[in-house]
Formats: sequence, structure tokens, C-alpha cells
Amino acid sequence: AQSVTQLGSHVSVSEGALVLLRCNYSSSVPPYLFWYVQYPNQGLQLLLKYTTGATLVKGINGFEAEFKKSETSFHLTKPSAHMSDAAEYFCAVRGGKLVFGAGTILRVKS
Amino acid sequence: DAGVIQSPRHEVTEMGQEVTLRCKPISGHDYLFWYRQTMMRGLELLIYFNNNVPIDDSGMPEDRFSAKMPNASFSTLKIQPSEPRDSAVYFCASSLRRTDTEAFFGQGTRLTVV
Repeated sequence: AQSVTQLGSHVSVSEGALVLLRCNYSSSVPPYLFWYVQYPNQGLQLLLKYTTGATLVKGINGFEAEFKKSETSFHLTKPSAHMSDAAEYFCAVRGGKLVFGAGTILRVKS
Repeated sequence: DAGVIQSPRHEVTEMGQEVTLRCKPISGHDYLFWYRQTMMRGLELLIYFNNNVPIDDSGMPEDRFSAKMPNASFSTLKIQPSEPRDSAVYFCASSLRRTDTEAFFGQGTRLTVV
């Protein structure tokens, strides 16, 4: 079975500051991991994914995430936050089905 | 491709009425997922299909909920009878056969049961 835990339902950063959104997973098989972003009144959009190979994966809008098997983590980072990054972010793990974490709402202060 | 298409985008219905939500997945995709999103419970997986066959419906909350996929290009989620606590945004998503691929989401159907 797969599950995901996102630490922090709300994260607030200043514009230009580092963004760090935390995700820990549980999986009985090698995990396929994803980060999605959801803007208000929209569906979910893929930011990035880890399947195999390089553990540091880069996505859209300057985001990246690092897969750490020893820590069962897949944290999402961005060096410098922009106002347009304000949204809800979801970490997900896939076996057959795709299971999402509870989400983290990112607020960016000017 | 136009992406995953859901209809209607908004639905307001009275308690006790039947509601049918529709989804057209991306052509060529083998997996189809139905999710429900609420403030209290987040994004819940209700059911998913592989090659039109339901694989896991353990997330379907009650017998009032049913889902079908009669062919590769169409799926429905039906609630009968509907209740106010069913009010939520329902998302459909589809993906290719391989489980290392991402799912593509529709814009969702916002259901309000009054």
C-alpha cells in the first residue's frame, strides 16, 4: 500500500525567499513520486516526477525535488519564491492507483 | 488532444435527486481515476479503472455512489440519492498504462446539493 504525508498544511514565505514543502511517503514497492500544483478553481497540474534514475528532479516554474530513499522523503524546493507561486501543492505516490497527500497551501508575502 | 474533459462544470441539485458526472479521458490512456475534493477530507480517490475495468473502488463512500466505464472514451460517476454532504469538487484524471507516468486532470465538477 502507498501513502503520503505532507508536513505543514500552510507555509508562508516572503517573495524571493526559499520555498521548502515537505513530503514523506510509504510504499511497499519502489515508489513513483509526483508533485502537483493546484490554482484556485482549477484542476491539478504536474510540477515534476521521480520514477528512476537521477534523484534530483527538476520541474516547471523553477521547482525541483530530491528523492531520498533512506529518509523516505521527496521534498519540493524553489530557491526564490514569486507571487505567482501562491497555490496549493500536492505530493503523490503511485503504484497502480495514485494517492495524494493532504496538500500544502503556499502563501507568498510581498 | 483537448485533455480530460468533464461535464458539467457546475451542478446544483436538490437533496434526493440523482446526479451524473461525466468524464472523457485523453485518447489512448488506459487508466481513469475519480477523485473527490473537500476542505475537510482533501483529495480522496474514489475509484479507478484500468482498460475500462474497475480495479479498486474501496474509496467509494457508500452504495449511493456508482461508477461505470462502458468504453475507453467515457466514464460516469453517479450519486443516487444525493445528500448535502456530497457537495464537493469531483475530478476525473487519466493516464497511460505505465504506472511511472503522471495522471492528467480535468477541470472538475463542482457539485452543490441543497
